[in-house]
Amino acid sequence: EAQVTQNPRYLITVTGKKLTVTCSQNMNHEYMSWYRQDPGLGLRQIYYSMNVEVTDKGDVPEGYKVSRKEKRNFPLILESPSPNQTSLYFCASRRPSGGDTQYFGPGTRLTVL
Amino acid sequence: AQSVTQLDSHVSVSEGTPVLLRCNYSSSYSPSLFWYVQHPNKGLQLLLKYTSAATLVKGINGFEAEFKKSETSFHLTKPSAHMSDAAEYFCVVSLYNNNDMRFGAGTRLTVKP
Repeated sequence: EAQVTQNPRYLITVTGKKLTVTCSQNMNHEYMSWYRQDPGLGLRQIYYSMNVEVTDKGDVPEGYKVSRKEKRNFPLILESPSPNQTSLYFCASRRPSGGDTQYFGPGTRLTVL
Repeated sequence: AQSVTQLDSHVSVSEGTPVLLRCNYSSSYSPSLFWYVQHPNKGLQLLLKYTSAATLVKGINGFEAEFKKSETSFHLTKPSAHMSDAAEYFCVVSLYNNNDMRFGAGTRLTVKP
């Protein structure tokens, strides 16, 4: 089954404790992306990757890091989480064209105390 | 630059009545347009997309949308609402050769029995 998986699905942590949210896709997609969803703001892009070892900032990259060492994986790293990063996070993947359908993971709900 | 505006943050309809969710976009070039649906505590699922083919696009679950270039609109409609349609809906604009996908703020659809 074609899918994007994220782990963990739920995470409660404390300010400053480094964490990683994993994302993996099995569709051989070149393009992967991370979004955060906050009430009334829709989804905002954090980082995206066009292919292995190619990443770039989205609209809200501050406080986040990513890496793309393998085509299927695109982890999101919060080196020193803060309460304003409490949000619902989605990973997504698609083929390179902007007209192609983007497939989303199930989401990770993060709470930073 | 491109952007998308969903004109209603909340729409409430009765079961069996028509649904209209409004979306206006701004884009310098011919865009691709998408509607995604998010059911409570779920990820995002593609309803339909427009990519410069037929202007009337049919999607899943009886939804359809019409691309109107003169009005820069891509409104989502359904002739008869079902209780299972209650969800949040996102309009998204993208360019074919661009990595920038812009999400609207979302419209929450409530369906009353």
